[in-house]
Amino acid sequence: SQTIHQWPATLVQPVGSPLSLECTVEGTSNPNLYWYRQAAGRGLQLLFYSVGIGQISSEVPQNLSASRPQDRQFILSSKKLLLSDSGFYLCAWSIDSLNTEAFFGQGTRLTVV
Amino acid sequence: GDSVTQMEGPVTLSEEAFLTINCTYTATGYPSLFWYVQYPGEGLQLLLKATKADDKGSNKGFEATYRKETTSFHLEKGSVQVSDSAVYFCALPPGQAGTALIFGKGTTLSVSS
Repeated sequence: SQTIHQWPATLVQPVGSPLSLECTVEGTSNPNLYWYRQAAGRGLQLLFYSVGIGQISSEVPQNLSASRPQDRQFILSSKKLLLSDSGFYLCAWSIDSLNTEAFFGQGTRLTVV
Repeated sequence: GDSVTQMEGPVTLSEEAFLTINCTYTATGYPSLFWYVQYPGEGLQLLLKATKADDKGSNKGFEATYRKETTSFHLEKGSVQVSDSAVYFCALPPGQAGTALIFGKGTTLSVSS
């Protein structure tokens, strides 16, 4: 069966520090991968999606970037965190983006102080 | 473009009350429809889905029927429990023109004993 791992679960980082969040999927090949952010008490904001290695599309211009160095690995990064980067970050995968569901990781709670 | 409209929350109920969370959609064709649940501090979990008109998805006592006449996919449960307290999201796939699932804004359910 397929599983998705996301870490760390929680992170407290100072303003201006770098960020690296990692997500890996097991049990499937060539998944679509997604990074979402959820601000406190609000809905989901799609940040990045990827349909293959090295293929990244950004939905919202911001202080973050994403990379997909391997088929089932998706990394969210920042060179210098801002206070506004605080939130709950969710990684997800799907078989395709046409008519199927997505499966989510457990999320990372990021607090920038 | 395709969209999902969900009733605004929060919804506050007593244990054993009947639950309805309304969801309507705008889409080309007849996409699959999904309900996700997010428990506090966790990622989203697929609660149920329906893949064609008149299908009824069900799981954990929750049900939703795909109504193409009214373009709706309302979530119902006959008797809620305290453990059902969570945020519920209605979603549909983007189809060929999109990139990722289209989510409603989420409805927070709070059940008290």
